[in-house]
Amino acid sequence: GENVEQHPSTLSVQEGDSAVIKCTYSDSASNYFPWYKQELGKRPQLIIDIRSNVGEKKDQRIAVTLNKTAKHFSLHITETQPEDSAVYFCAASIRRTDMRFGAGTRLTVKP
Amino acid sequence: GAVVSQHPSWVICKSGTSVKIECRSLDFQATTMFWYRQFPKQSLMLMATSNEGSKATYEQGVEKDKFLINHASLTLSTLTVTSAHPEDSSFYICSARVAREGQPQHFGDGTRLSIL
Repeated sequence: GENVEQHPSTLSVQEGDSAVIKCTYSDSASNYFPWYKQELGKRPQLIIDIRSNVGEKKDQRIAVTLNKTAKHFSLHITETQPEDSAVYFCAASIRRTDMRFGAGTRLTVKP
Repeated sequence: GAVVSQHPSWVICKSGTSVKIECRSLDFQATTMFWYRQFPKQSLMLMATSNEGSKATYEQGVEKDKFLINHASLTLSTLTVTSAHPEDSSFYICSARVAREGQPQHFGDGTRLSIL
């Protein structure tokens, strides 16, 4: 089955700096890669996703890149703000099957 | 759109009690719902996949007699923790998805279960 690894587990950046979180997946058949943001005690919220026919997607300060050959994808947050502090999860999904989540990255943005 | 409602949000009960958690998709039909367990500062652990009108598919290591799942309609799935014990205390969260390729999961607010 699919195995998703996520790094780093914790990330601390200064406000205004960029943050990058990386994930790798094992199953080359995976074709959908969402990223979720979870604030303490709240539900995971979808922030951006990418499908396997696209190499990069951007939404304001957030971007995701996908390298199908290497089987890894990354989340990039630019101009970080304190409200970006949360746990971020990557996931990989094969067609209509369930998603496998990474272990999560706790991002702290220091003002 | 794509709102998932989960109830209750917090449950405290005595050991031996059975607890039912509901997960509803409010504005879409979810042929598939998922139940996760999340320990403090840890990732989402998939417990089971719930398909409307059929038996749930449980992940390895998850006791199906302990965690009963029913998905009776396209908008409702329930998780019943039977004869709950303190080790069952956790954050349980459901998600729902429209059955189209490449669709995201939408999560409920979660249920914090505390067994005394």
